[in-house]
Amino acid sequence: LAKTTQPISMDSYEGQEVNITCSHNNIATNDYITWYQQFPSQGPRFIIQGYKTKVTNEVASLFIPADRKSSTLSLPRVSLSDTAVYYCLVGELSNFGNEKLTFGTGTRLTIIP
Amino acid sequence: DTAVSQTPKYLVTQMGNDKSIKCEQNLGHDTMYWYKQDSKKFLKIMFSYNNKELIINETVPNRFSPKSPDKAHLNLHINSLELGDSAVYFCASSQALGGSGNTIYFGEGSWLTVV
Repeated sequence: LAKTTQPISMDSYEGQEVNITCSHNNIATNDYITWYQQFPSQGPRFIIQGYKTKVTNEVASLFIPADRKSSTLSLPRVSLSDTAVYYCLVGELSNFGNEKLTFGTGTRLTIIP
Repeated sequence: DTAVSQTPKYLVTQMGNDKSIKCEQNLGHDTMYWYKQDSKKFLKIMFSYNNKELIINETVPNRFSPKSPDKAHLNLHINSLELGDSAVYFCASSQALGGSGNTIYFGEGSWLTVV
């Protein structure tokens, strides 16, 4: 399994850029890296996905170094509504075609006014 | 329209009872999942079905039995409920097996409390 490690919590002030890093040392060749956001009492919601280098959408950017052993989710100019838990997910396709999707512990991001 | 819907949203039941949580997705996806989120907020996969076939069956007690009558539905039946089964159960779906560049869409969760 491609296990992941993230900081348990982070605090940031409104308007700042927030970077959350996820370590996945055992990532496999076929694995994609996906980040999800979860608000209280809701299901996780897709934010961004990448395989290598940099991906950017209207919500965030995802930076993946060449060795792919880590990834960094970047949230530009955060607001109070960005307070949530952020999960890093690394998919794995085993030799037998089974796929195990292991969520990290999640990072609880708190935005301070 | 809700993409992945699950019912009931809240369920309080006594130990030893049998209960079911239903899930439906209207996205036309081939793969559906059940995840469990416990009080520590760890989100763990329990089962995955692809085209109605069981693909992933993590270390889950056999009191938990998923049933997929068709690609759009994946229900979770739990026998002989125990206190430790109290958690939030999330149903999810994806176009194909989720790690290969596919996005997973989650339902809103079913809060199960066993008393």
